Amino acid sequence: GENVEQHPSTLSVQEGDSAVIKCTYSDSASNYFPWYKQELGKRPQLIIDIRSNVGEKKDQRIAVTLNKTAKHFSLHITETQPEDSAVYFCAASPMNDYKLSFGAGTTVTVRA
Amino acid sequence: SAVISQKPSRDICQRGTSLTIQCQVDSQVTMMFWYRQQPGQSLTLIATANQGSEATYESGFVIDKFPISRPNLTFSTLTVSNMSPEDSSIYLCSVAKSAGANVLTFGAGSRLTVL
Repeated sequence: GENVEQHPSTLSVQEGDSAVIKCTYSDSASNYFPWYKQELGKRPQLIIDIRSNVGEKKDQRIAVTLNKTAKHFSLHITETQPEDSAVYFCAASPMNDYKLSFGAGTTVTVRA
Repeated sequence: SAVISQKPSRDICQRGTSLTIQCQVDSQVTMMFWYRQQPGQSLTLIATANQGSEATYESGFVIDKFPISRPNLTFSTLTVSNMSPEDSSIYLCSVAKSAGANVLTFGAGSRLTVL
């Protein structure tokens, strides 16, 4: 099955700086890569996703890049704010398979 | 996106007992899943809840321990049977609204503590 590795496990950044989280996956059939944000005590919420037919997608301060050849994808958060502090999970799944394999998570702390 | 209601939101249970968690969605959905999130850990898929048939379990999870029902396209239950302290986790229902769309929405979770 799919194996998703996520790094780093913790990330501390100064407010206003950028944060980057990287994930690698093992199954070349995977073609859907979402990112979820989970605030303390809350449910995971989808913040951005990308499919294998594109290499990059942006939504305001958040962007995701995908390198299918190398089987890795990354989340970029620019101009970080205290409300960006949360645990971020990457995930992967093959086309037409709804089952997501999640990375271990990255705890992001934005220092004011 | 779909609105998911899960209950109970939390419970404290005694070893050896069983607890059933309910997941209600405000609209019909194609796929429903149950995930487990152990303290400080990632999300692990327990099973896919199939409407009108037996659930499909992932490796390491069995029906006797985690029986699942899905009588219709908006409702599912997960039972955690014969609980032990190792079952202390957050159990999350998630749904995919339509065919061809992998996008999952999660419920708020049910936090179980087993003493």
